[in-house]
Amino acid sequence: GQQVMQIPQYQHVQEGEDFTTYCNSSTTLSNIQWYKQRPGGHPVFLIQLVKSGEVKKQKRLTFQFGEAKKNSSLHITATQTTDVGTYFCAGVKDTDKLIFGTGTRLQVFP
Amino acid sequence: SQTIHQWPATLVQPVGSPLSLECTVEGTSNPNLYWYRQAAGRGLQLLFYSVGIGQISSEVPQNLSASRPQDRQFILSSKKLLLSDSGFYLCAWSAGSSPLHFGNGTRLTVT
Repeated sequence: GQQVMQIPQYQHVQEGEDFTTYCNSSTTLSNIQWYKQRPGGHPVFLIQLVKSGEVKKQKRLTFQFGEAKKNSSLHITATQTTDVGTYFCAGVKDTDKLIFGTGTRLQVFP
Repeated sequence: SQTIHQWPATLVQPVGSPLSLECTVEGTSNPNLYWYRQAAGRGLQLLFYSVGIGQISSEVPQNLSASRPQDRQFILSSKKLLLSDSGFYLCAWSAGSSPLHFGNGTRLTVT
């Protein structure tokens, strides 16, 4: 079946360092979404990417969709303690059903 | 604006007892509805999704079931809970393929 993998599984960084999580799908996606889940909370939608090679920015966050629409990345510049949480990508195939990635848990040390 | 309500927030149930978790959505019509489970420190596992009243698709065979008695109501049930049913249960809605909006979740501990 369709799988969406994320690496790394965990990342610990010092505040101010950059962070990147990578998302890879076994099949081509129609679009990809990114969510953030704070500790003890529920996932919250961040952004959606639709076009091949698309790059979107939200302040210190940069999202990229691969040319082949099978991979994506989220890069955070100069992390802050408020960035702590688990970041999930979620791929949409032609069934309109979201397949969530395995998630990357980010810990930021002050 | 649209809101999603999920209750209860926490639940402790003995093995073999029944389960009923309820989720309701307000401010939208004919939403797609979803039940996800998240084990501690793990990813999101899709359990059920529904595109309309009485239409339920099951993703993982197990002792859980779902029902959608009304357009904006989604219920997750079990007749007999197992220890392995413990986890964080999340209800979500979407309009078509638009992003998901999650409820606050129910933390279930089966003892």
